[in-house]
Amino acid sequence: GAVVSQHPSWVICKSGTSVKIECRSLDFQATTMFWYRQFPKQSLMLMATSNEGSKATYEQGVEKDKFLINHASLTLSTLTVTSAHPEDSSFYICSARERGGLAGPYEQYFGPGTRLTVT
Amino acid sequence: DAKTTQPPSMDCAEGRAANLPCNHSTISGNEYVYWYRQIHSQGPQYIIHGLKNNETNEMASLIITEDRKSSTLILPHATLRDTAVYYCIVRWRSNDYKLSFGAGTTVTVRA
Repeated sequence: GAVVSQHPSWVICKSGTSVKIECRSLDFQATTMFWYRQFPKQSLMLMATSNEGSKATYEQGVEKDKFLINHASLTLSTLTVTSAHPEDSSFYICSARERGGLAGPYEQYFGPGTRLTVT
Repeated sequence: DAKTTQPPSMDCAEGRAANLPCNHSTISGNEYVYWYRQIHSQGPQYIIHGLKNNETNEMASLIITEDRKSSTLILPHATLRDTAVYYCIVRWRSNDYKLSFGAGTTVTVRA
């Protein structure tokens, strides 16, 4: 099946710094990528949807100036957490939808997640 | 998208079938039922989906009631590796392809 990777798998940064997380579709072209955030013992919350070559669409309550999303190619999307604070510590997961893919199992492939800890 | 209700947790014995219920009483005719699972500290994994007919694949079976107001995911022979949070999601297959994850059911398979 299709594989989505994320890098890094975990990162620790100091408060006030910015962190970039990469999401790559390894063997397919992703028209759309999604970014989720998951706090401990909670469910996944969709943060934003990004389409290649266009601006991301953010869910209500998600600050677009704090969580910068770039989807510059059909295989790469990046999420930058700017001026990170301890409350931004979370598990960030991306998913990718295959270009021209059929619905069902081909709809979204999820990455393994990135654990961000802000100290 | 329709709301779903799942039990918060359930245990099952290794080697036995695990039956995971999901209620979606407000489901509309165009909405599909999807099941995903998330093993601890990993990304979600697609399991199965269906509209109104029962479905089976190599991972599980999905039984949808005739009125489509509830469904059951069946793991035929649970293993320890099936311990995970299982999410039942009801969604209309539209162009946005968004998935809304609820609380899910934490399934613990015991030896």
